[in-house]
Amino acid sequence: EDQVTQSPEALRLQEGESSSLNCSYTVSGLRGLFWYRQDPGKGPEFLFTLYSAGEEKEKERLKATLTKKESFLHITAPKPEDSATYLCAVRYNFNKFYFGSGTKLNVKP
Amino acid sequence: DAGVIQSPRHEVTEMGQEVTLRCKPISGHDYLFWYRQTMMRGLELLIYFNNNVPIDDSGMPEDRFSAKMPNASFSTLKIQPSEPRDSAVYFCASTTGGEPPLAQYFGPGTRLLVL
Repeated sequence: EDQVTQSPEALRLQEGESSSLNCSYTVSGLRGLFWYRQDPGKGPEFLFTLYSAGEEKEKERLKATLTKKESFLHITAPKPEDSATYLCAVRYNFNKFYFGSGTKLNVKP
Repeated sequence: DAGVIQSPRHEVTEMGQEVTLRCKPISGHDYLFWYRQTMMRGLELLIYFNNNVPIDDSGMPEDRFSAKMPNASFSTLKIQPSEPRDSAVYFCASTTGGEPPLAQYFGPGTRLLVL
């Protein structure tokens, strides 16, 4: 069964405490994996696209990596403004999309 | 580019009334998606279009929901009659079918409250 699972559901960090969010997927014909950030009351904002295992993308304190079965979003020395819900999604079988349920990140000062 | 545009941003209505949500996708995008988001169920795909044609509407909850895309730059999601359980945030998103495969780009959403 096609599936995308994100863990943990929620994560509380102290400012500066690095950690990783996980997105595991079981779909065939992966065409791309995407990370989004969603702030309360707003639409998901696109962050990264990963196309193949071994690929990495970075933006400020965020780094996304991809293997054949999962992706990680590494957050280095997070700040309170990094608090948001992070969603991952996969595009597969030509043009099907599947979104995970998200990880709610709270970074305390 | 202005991004995906949705209107209205907020809608409060009474049970039984008709509600129409509007979306303008990013110019040049040939796929358009309608989602509903709630705390309990997360992001749910309702329907998506390719080149203005509905491809998969299996997520539409029931016959009270309908969606149209009369042209490449406009789509509507209609609920008639509305019920309190329809209260949610409705998002529209668009993307292209070309290469490389792109992400979906979301609008700001319409927050619907049915009393």
